[in-house]
Amino acid sequence: NAGVTQTPKFRILKIGQSMTLQCTQDMNHNYMYWYRQDPGMGLKLIYYSVGAGITDKGEVPNGYNVSRSTTEDFPLRLELAAPSQTSVYFCASRTGLPEAFFGQGTRLTVV
Amino acid sequence: KQEVTQIPAALSVPEGENLVLNCSFTDSAIYNLQWFRQDPGKGLTSLLLIQSSQREQTSGRLNASLDKSSGRSTLYIAASQPGDSATYLCAVRDSGWGQNFVFGPGTRLSVLP
Repeated sequence: NAGVTQTPKFRILKIGQSMTLQCTQDMNHNYMYWYRQDPGMGLKLIYYSVGAGITDKGEVPNGYNVSRSTTEDFPLRLELAAPSQTSVYFCASRTGLPEAFFGQGTRLTVV
Repeated sequence: KQEVTQIPAALSVPEGENLVLNCSFTDSAIYNLQWFRQDPGKGLTSLLLIQSSQREQTSGRLNASLDKSSGRSTLYIAASQPGDSATYLCAVRDSGWGQNFVFGPGTRLSVLP
């Protein structure tokens, strides 16, 4: 079982560059989430989706965009990378059941 | 706005000790609470999930309790082992933002051989 797959695992970006963090789940989960984790902090919600075609902002959405064209995929887009976006990014998914499943994370450094 | 705190921030114990990690949350209107383990540079591994109607859950040497009215949960680890060294995150799921999880900052546990 693949579960939640994130790519890439690591990335270094220059200020002003753009990139897309990929997240795919093969469990047919409706709910998908993007979080960021800064050192010594808990995870903070960036964006979420309750189903294909439906997305909404979380706690820290500025500088990011998402789309959900299929149930499986929930990419996170950074348009103009800034040093403040240096973080570890986690994607998660769940059904209507309570338990959430997390990907292995993408470690992003903006220099 | 839901806020989750965890005490202590870091803990170092000798192998074999029993230990308790604490989690507090400000809004008791939660659906459930989940404890995760995170190894350095890795993702999150789910340990235990407690529904809001439950008082505790057990898995092997782990026992998690929930007191929703007081906004507290504890994770009890019995007979700790060096392999238990990791960061333990507590997260509550409530009605906000697509019923997502609100995370605490974690407790970094070191179990010394």
